[in-house]
Amino acid sequence: GDSVTQMEGPVTLSEEAFLTINCTYTATGYPSLFWYVQYPGEGLQLLLKATKADDKGSNKGFEATYRKETTSFHLEKGSVQVSDSAVYFCALNRDDKIIFGKGTRLHILP
Amino acid sequence: DAGITQSPRHKVTETGTPVTLRCHQTENHRYMYWYRQDPGHGLRLIHYSYGVKDTDKGEVSDGYSVSRSKTEDFLLTLESATSSQTSVYFCATRAPGANEKLFFGSGTQLSVL
Repeated sequence: GDSVTQMEGPVTLSEEAFLTINCTYTATGYPSLFWYVQYPGEGLQLLLKATKADDKGSNKGFEATYRKETTSFHLEKGSVQVSDSAVYFCALNRDDKIIFGKGTRLHILP
Repeated sequence: DAGITQSPRHKVTETGTPVTLRCHQTENHRYMYWYRQDPGHGLRLIHYSYGVKDTDKGEVSDGYSVSRSKTEDFLLTLESATSSQTSVYFCATRAPGANEKLFFGSGTQLSVL
């Protein structure tokens, strides 16, 4: 069946460091891909998305590119801030069935 | 934010009892989802619905059933609760179209003793 695999956390970085959180997927056909973020004590909210191969989603300085050839959708940010500390979830939507990866907890140190 | 209300917000129950969680939305969204969130497992899809009386199984559907008799309500029932079903349960909704964004409720913390 379909699945999403994310890098294990937690990830701890210093402020202004470069961030990469890896995400790969397994699915038939052409799913849409997403990153959601969950800040402490809150629900999940959509961070960015891409609906077809080579699309780049971006929001709040975060970016991810839909790579069909490597079945990947890695999340990147050039300079992280303390306020980026949260849990990040990669997800896919195929035929309205939306599944998530296990999440990656990110800690940013001032 | 979409108007999604989950009830109850917290519940403690005993093993073997049936439990029903309710998700109510005011956005007239076609799609509704139930997830559980557990440490080390992230969010796992239990069941989802693509319309009234149209539902399908997710990744971890064993021990759960759902019903959707009205667009606005999606019920999740634990037929005979077990301690392994202690979790935080999230409902989410989505409107059809290119946006595909999920809107989440605030969650229900369920403890099965």
